[in-house]
Amino acid sequence: KAGVTQTPRYLIKTRGQQVTLSCSPISGHRSVSWYQQTPGQGLQFLFEYFSETQRNKGNFPGRFSGRQFSNSRSEMNVSTLELGDSALYLCASSGGLGQTYNSPLHFGNGTRLTVT
Amino acid sequence: DQQVKQNSPSLSVQEGRISILNCDYTNSMFDYFLWYKKYPAEGPTFLISISSIKDKNEDGRFTVFLNKSAKHLSLHIVPSQPGDSAVYFCAASVGNQFYFGTGTSLTVIP
Repeated sequence: KAGVTQTPRYLIKTRGQQVTLSCSPISGHRSVSWYQQTPGQGLQFLFEYFSETQRNKGNFPGRFSGRQFSNSRSEMNVSTLELGDSALYLCASSGGLGQTYNSPLHFGNGTRLTVT
Repeated sequence: DQQVKQNSPSLSVQEGRISILNCDYTNSMFDYFLWYKKYPAEGPTFLISISSIKDKNEDGRFTVFLNKSAKHLSLHIVPSQPGDSAVYFCAASVGNQFYFGTGTSLTVIP
């Protein structure tokens, strides 16, 4: 079974631009979550989607948004990029058939975003 | 407000000995706890989990202990191997929302 796939792996943008990151979950997983990882801050939760609906949201500004499609694939968008948005963005999926609660997150390898 | 804390940024252990990684949490509503391992340039890999109704779970060389009264979680790796060298994150969840610690970098010395 293929794992979580994130594209692109690396991205360089300049301040003020916007960016869209893509995530394909493990086949059969219906929940997709996004996390930001920066040095010393661990993994900060951005949002979670389940069946195309945002189910949970972290404490990030409105410049960070996401969506999920009917095939469970998800995209995350960051508008008006700031230098502080430079980070590793991780996507995770969970909730295979019959697993709707207390199932582990499975992560992709992330997209490394650098804002200059 | 960091609800899950890993107070040791790094740990070094001799090959063959036990590695003990610790994690504390503040939210008594957490009901599911996990450990992840992360190598550079890769995403975190799920290692082992435990439900709040248990106090111990084993999987091969990895054992997770949960002390609910102390709000403390630990991961034991026995015996430690050089390939275990990585960053370890603990996580806790409630209602499908997960909270992660800041990680402990484990180095296993051959």
